[in-house]
Amino acid sequence: AQKITQTQPGMFVQEKEAVTLDCTYDTSDPSYGLFWYKQPSSGEMIFLIYQGSYDQQNATEGRYSLNFQKARKSANLVISASQLGDSAMYFCAMREGTGGFKTIFGAGTRLFVKA
Amino acid sequence: DTGVSQDPRHKITKRGQNVTFRCDPISEHNRLYWYRQTLGQGPEFLTYFQNEAQLEKSRLLSDRFSAERPKGSFSTLEIQRTEQGDSAMYLCASSLRDTLTHNYGYTFGSGTRLTVV
Repeated sequence: AQKITQTQPGMFVQEKEAVTLDCTYDTSDPSYGLFWYKQPSSGEMIFLIYQGSYDQQNATEGRYSLNFQKARKSANLVISASQLGDSAMYFCAMREGTGGFKTIFGAGTRLFVKA
Repeated sequence: DTGVSQDPRHKITKRGQNVTFRCDPISEHNRLYWYRQTLGQGPEFLTYFQNEAQLEKSRLLSDRFSAERPKGSFSTLEIQRTEQGDSAMYLCASSLRDTLTHNYGYTFGSGTRLTVV
Protein backbone atom coordinates (compact mmCIF):
# COMPACT_ATOMS: atom_id res chain seq x y z
CA ALA A 1 0.00 0.00 0.00
CA GLN A 2 1.10 3.54 -0.66
CA LYS A 3 2.33 5.58 2.28
CA ILE A 4 3.90 9.00 2.76
CA THR A 5 5.69 9.96 5.96
CA GLN A 6 6.71 13.46 6.98
CA THR A 7 8.39 13.32 10.38
CA GLN A 8 8.86 17.05 10.97
CA PRO A 9 5.69 18.68 12.28
CA GLY A 10 7.38 22.08 12.31
CA MET A 11 10.61 23.65 11.09
CA PHE A 12 12.23 27.04 11.62
CA VAL A 13 14.66 28.66 9.18
CA GLN A 14 16.36 32.01 9.07
CA GLU A 15 15.50 34.21 6.12
CA LYS A 16 17.93 33.75 3.18
CA GLU A 17 19.11 30.35 4.43
CA ALA A 18 18.35 26.97 2.88
CA VAL A 19 16.06 24.42 4.51
CA THR A 20 15.34 20.74 3.86
CA LEU A 21 11.92 19.23 4.49
CA ASP A 22 11.96 15.45 4.85
CA CYS A 23 9.71 12.97 3.12
CA THR A 24 9.85 9.19 2.90
CA TYR A 25 7.47 7.05 0.92
CA ASP A 26 6.52 3.45 0.45
CA THR A 27 5.17 1.76 -2.63
CA SER A 28 5.55 -1.54 -4.42
CA ASP A 29 4.87 -0.01 -7.83
CA PRO A 30 8.06 0.66 -9.83
CA SER A 31 6.34 3.58 -11.59
CA TYR A 32 5.25 6.51 -9.48
CA GLY A 33 5.38 10.26 -9.17
CA LEU A 34 6.38 12.33 -6.18
CA PHE A 35 5.07 15.84 -5.55
CA TRP A 36 5.42 18.71 -3.15
CA TYR A 37 2.65 21.18 -2.47
CA LYS A 38 2.61 24.40 -0.47
CA GLN A 39 -0.41 25.52 1.52
CA PRO A 40 -0.20 29.10 2.81
CA SER A 41 -2.50 30.33 5.55
CA SER A 42 -4.97 31.37 2.86
CA GLY A 43 -5.65 27.66 2.36
CA GLU A 44 -5.09 27.10 -1.35
CA MET A 45 -2.78 24.19 -2.20
CA ILE A 46 -0.08 25.14 -4.66
CA PHE A 47 1.84 22.57 -6.73
CA LEU A 48 5.59 23.17 -6.41
CA ILE A 49 7.63 20.37 -7.94
CA TYR A 50 7.38 16.86 -9.42
CA GLN A 51 9.80 13.92 -9.61
CA GLY A 52 9.10 10.82 -11.66
CA SER A 53 10.42 7.49 -10.42
CA TYR A 54 12.37 6.94 -13.64
CA ASP A 55 13.84 10.42 -13.79
CA GLN A 56 17.61 10.25 -13.60
CA GLN A 57 18.13 13.78 -12.37
CA ASN A 58 16.72 15.53 -9.35
CA ALA A 59 13.91 17.94 -10.20
CA THR A 60 14.43 21.67 -9.78
CA GLU A 61 11.98 24.56 -10.03
CA GLY A 62 13.48 27.92 -9.23
CA ARG A 63 14.40 27.94 -5.53
CA TYR A 64 12.90 24.47 -5.03
CA SER A 65 14.77 21.25 -5.61
CA LEU A 66 13.83 17.69 -4.82
CA ASN A 67 16.54 15.47 -3.37
CA PHE A 68 15.41 12.09 -4.71
CA GLN A 69 17.09 9.03 -3.20
CA LYS A 70 15.28 6.10 -4.72
CA ALA A 71 17.03 3.33 -2.79
CA ARG A 72 16.18 5.05 0.49
CA LYS A 73 12.68 5.91 -0.72
CA SER A 74 13.13 9.53 0.22
CA ALA A 75 12.10 12.69 -1.60
CA ASN A 76 13.22 15.66 0.44
CA LEU A 77 12.34 19.20 -0.59
CA VAL A 78 15.13 21.76 -0.47
CA ILE A 79 14.20 25.43 -0.45
CA SER A 80 17.15 27.72 -1.07
CA ALA A 81 17.39 31.35 0.01
CA SER A 82 14.25 31.21 2.18
CA GLN A 83 11.87 34.14 2.06
CA LEU A 84 9.26 35.26 4.55
CA GLY A 85 6.59 34.27 2.05
CA ASP A 86 7.77 30.67 2.24
CA SER A 87 6.15 30.34 5.66
CA ALA A 88 3.41 27.77 5.06
CA MET A 89 2.47 24.11 5.35
CA TYR A 90 4.29 21.83 2.94
CA PHE A 91 2.90 18.49 1.87
CA CYS A 92 4.74 15.63 0.23
CA ALA A 93 2.57 13.46 -2.00
CA MET A 94 2.76 10.42 -4.25
CA ARG A 95 0.78 8.91 -7.08
CA GLU A 96 1.39 5.42 -8.42
CA GLY A 97 1.83 5.48 -12.15
CA THR A 98 0.34 2.22 -13.27
CA GLY A 99 -3.39 2.10 -12.73
CA GLY A 100 -3.33 4.55 -9.88
CA PHE A 101 -5.46 7.64 -10.16
CA LYS A 102 -5.25 9.18 -6.77
CA THR A 103 -2.54 11.13 -5.03
CA ILE A 104 -1.94 10.45 -1.36
CA PHE A 105 -0.57 13.15 0.91
CA GLY A 106 1.60 13.17 3.99
CA ALA A 107 0.62 14.94 7.20
CA GLY A 108 2.66 18.00 6.30
CA THR A 109 5.44 20.13 7.75
CA ARG A 110 4.82 23.67 8.90
CA LEU A 111 7.72 25.93 7.94
CA PHE A 112 8.37 29.18 9.78
CA VAL A 113 10.78 31.65 8.19
CA LYS A 114 12.31 34.10 10.66
CA ALA A 115 13.37 37.61 9.69
CA ASP B 1 -9.33 30.25 -17.60
CA THR B 2 -8.66 31.47 -14.08
CA GLY B 3 -8.11 28.14 -12.38
CA VAL B 4 -10.30 25.83 -10.33
CA SER B 5 -13.33 27.52 -8.80
CA GLN B 6 -15.26 26.24 -5.82
CA ASP B 7 -18.54 27.50 -4.47
CA PRO B 8 -19.41 28.35 -1.78
CA ARG B 9 -16.24 29.28 0.09
CA HIS B 10 -17.89 28.75 3.45
CA LYS B 11 -20.98 26.82 4.49
CA ILE B 12 -22.50 26.59 7.95
CA THR B 13 -25.30 24.10 8.29
CA LYS B 14 -27.31 22.44 11.01
CA ARG B 15 -26.80 18.78 11.69
CA GLY B 16 -29.12 16.67 9.59
CA GLN B 17 -29.34 19.11 6.68
CA ASN B 18 -28.14 18.37 3.17
CA VAL B 19 -25.43 20.44 1.52
CA THR B 20 -24.10 20.63 -2.02
CA PHE B 21 -20.79 22.02 -3.19
CA ARG B 22 -19.79 22.91 -6.72
CA CYS B 23 -16.43 22.72 -8.47
CA ASP B 24 -15.53 24.17 -11.86
CA PRO B 25 -12.21 22.71 -13.04
CA ILE B 26 -9.80 24.06 -15.60
CA SER B 27 -11.56 23.47 -18.89
CA GLU B 28 -8.85 21.42 -20.58
CA HIS B 29 -8.36 19.14 -17.56
CA ASN B 30 -10.23 15.88 -17.93
CA ARG B 31 -9.43 14.61 -14.43
CA LEU B 32 -11.25 15.96 -11.40
CA TYR B 33 -10.74 15.02 -7.76
CA TRP B 34 -12.42 15.70 -4.44
CA TYR B 35 -10.43 15.68 -1.23
CA ARG B 36 -11.28 16.40 2.38
CA GLN B 37 -8.89 18.12 4.75
CA THR B 38 -9.29 18.45 8.49
CA LEU B 39 -7.27 20.83 10.64
CA GLY B 40 -3.59 19.93 10.83
CA GLN B 41 -3.85 17.03 8.40
CA GLY B 42 -3.04 16.41 4.79
CA PRO B 43 -5.84 16.11 2.23
CA GLU B 44 -7.63 12.76 2.14
CA PHE B 45 -8.85 11.36 -1.17
CA LEU B 46 -12.61 11.11 -1.60
CA THR B 47 -13.34 10.48 -5.25
CA TYR B 48 -12.06 10.87 -8.78
CA PHE B 49 -13.61 11.53 -12.19
CA GLN B 50 -12.15 11.07 -15.62
CA ASN B 51 -14.42 13.10 -17.84
CA GLU B 52 -17.93 12.22 -16.64
CA ALA B 53 -17.05 8.78 -15.28
CA GLN B 54 -16.54 8.35 -11.55
CA LEU B 55 -13.68 5.86 -11.55
CA GLU B 56 -12.75 5.63 -7.91
CA LYS B 57 -14.42 6.32 -4.61
CA SER B 58 -12.77 6.15 -1.22
CA ARG B 59 -14.08 3.91 1.52
CA LEU B 60 -14.11 7.11 3.57
CA LEU B 61 -17.13 8.15 1.54
CA SER B 62 -20.21 6.84 3.25
CA ASP B 63 -23.54 6.41 1.51
CA ARG B 64 -24.41 9.94 2.61
CA PHE B 65 -21.87 11.33 0.15
CA SER B 66 -22.45 11.47 -3.57
CA ALA B 67 -20.58 13.19 -6.36
CA GLU B 68 -21.44 13.83 -9.97
CA ARG B 69 -19.77 15.32 -12.98
CA PRO B 70 -22.41 15.60 -15.68
CA LYS B 71 -21.04 16.16 -19.18
CA GLY B 72 -17.50 16.00 -17.84
CA SER B 73 -17.41 19.66 -16.90
CA PHE B 74 -18.29 20.96 -13.43
CA SER B 75 -18.77 18.61 -10.51
CA THR B 76 -20.98 18.61 -7.44
CA LEU B 77 -20.42 16.95 -4.09
CA GLU B 78 -23.51 16.39 -1.97
CA ILE B 79 -23.59 15.39 1.67
CA GLN B 80 -26.92 14.21 3.00
CA ARG B 81 -27.95 14.26 6.66
CA THR B 82 -24.79 16.08 7.70
CA GLU B 83 -23.03 15.15 10.94
CA GLN B 84 -20.61 17.17 13.04
CA GLY B 85 -17.81 14.87 11.90
CA ASP B 86 -18.34 16.11 8.35
CA SER B 87 -16.94 19.51 9.34
CA ALA B 88 -13.83 19.98 7.21
CA MET B 89 -12.40 21.75 4.19
CA TYR B 90 -13.55 20.13 0.96
CA LEU B 91 -11.02 20.58 -1.80
CA CYS B 92 -11.51 20.10 -5.50
CA ALA B 93 -8.61 19.65 -7.88
CA SER B 94 -8.17 19.01 -11.57
CA SER B 95 -5.34 17.80 -13.75
CA LEU B 96 -4.44 16.58 -17.19
CA ARG B 97 -4.36 12.86 -17.80
CA ASP B 98 -1.02 11.28 -16.87
CA THR B 99 1.19 9.93 -19.63
CA LEU B 100 3.20 6.74 -19.38
CA THR B 101 6.21 8.66 -18.15
CA HIS B 102 4.77 11.72 -16.47
CA ASN B 103 2.33 12.34 -13.65
CA TYR B 104 0.73 15.78 -13.66
CA GLY B 105 0.40 17.88 -10.57
CA TYR B 106 -3.00 19.04 -9.41
CA THR B 107 -4.45 22.50 -9.60
CA PHE B 108 -6.54 22.97 -6.48
CA GLY B 109 -9.43 25.27 -5.83
CA SER B 110 -9.64 27.41 -2.71
CA GLY B 111 -11.90 24.88 -1.05
CA THR B 112 -15.26 24.95 0.69
CA ARG B 113 -15.10 25.07 4.45
CA LEU B 114 -18.04 23.21 5.95
CA THR B 115 -19.08 23.71 9.55
CA VAL B 116 -21.85 21.50 10.90
CA VAL B 117 -23.43 22.84 14.08
